Amino acid sequence: GESVGLHLPTLSVQEGDNSIINCAYSNSASDYFIWYKQESGKGPQFIIDIRSNMDKRQGQRVTVLLNKTVKHLSLQIAATQPGDSAVYFCAESVLRGATNKLIFGTGTLLAVQP
Amino acid sequence: DADVTQTPRNRITKTGKRIMLECSQTKGHDRMYWYRQDPGLGLRLIYYSFDVKDINKGEISDGYSVSRQAQAKFSLSLESAIPNQTALYFCATSDPARANQPQHFGDGTRLSIL
Repeated sequence: GESVGLHLPTLSVQEGDNSIINCAYSNSASDYFIWYKQESGKGPQFIIDIRSNMDKRQGQRVTVLLNKTVKHLSLQIAATQPGDSAVYFCAESVLRGATNKLIFGTGTLLAVQP
Repeated sequence: DADVTQTPRNRITKTGKRIMLECSQTKGHDRMYWYRQDPGLGLRLIYYSFDVKDINKGEISDGYSVSRQAQAKFSLSLESAIPNQTALYFCATSDPARANQPQHFGDGTRLSIL
């Protein structure tokens, strides 16, 4: 899951297993959510998004689940591969005045063991 | 994301120096953003611009300034750098054509202030 502090939570999985990365978001009024992947030395890369009128969305090997009741978001990666090793973080879109702003989580490090 | 290019990729400088970080994009997006990333913290918004004549402060704008020279270019300046501005800086863009769009990031500038 996500947390503040200097050390990222780490999820270690075996190659070929499924991974589930969790995120607790802060604002019950948030209406749009994004998952990003950040590899070492690179910028955040968009993976998948979901709007609040949905509770599940699937992409290629990835699924995002949204539970608005408990303000929880998860990213499921099927058949995890070594190239999936990275930091994953969620972002929520919050309306501030007339503009939507993204609020980013701190991230989870996914370590894929061969 | 090669569509968003940041220069330099790395910079080491001394306290009190003026620094400019550059961002250019080929995505044709009107909206551009500057973030900083620190260990254990989520991305924090410094400044953002919704078009060439629009500049807005983010949550941590003190000590920074920006210039939107053209739709494709958005630069960040540190007028008098201090050590606690040592961080990873990211530029991002988004397309306002539809509500709730993901932001697309460059690969960052690693800035160290001695």
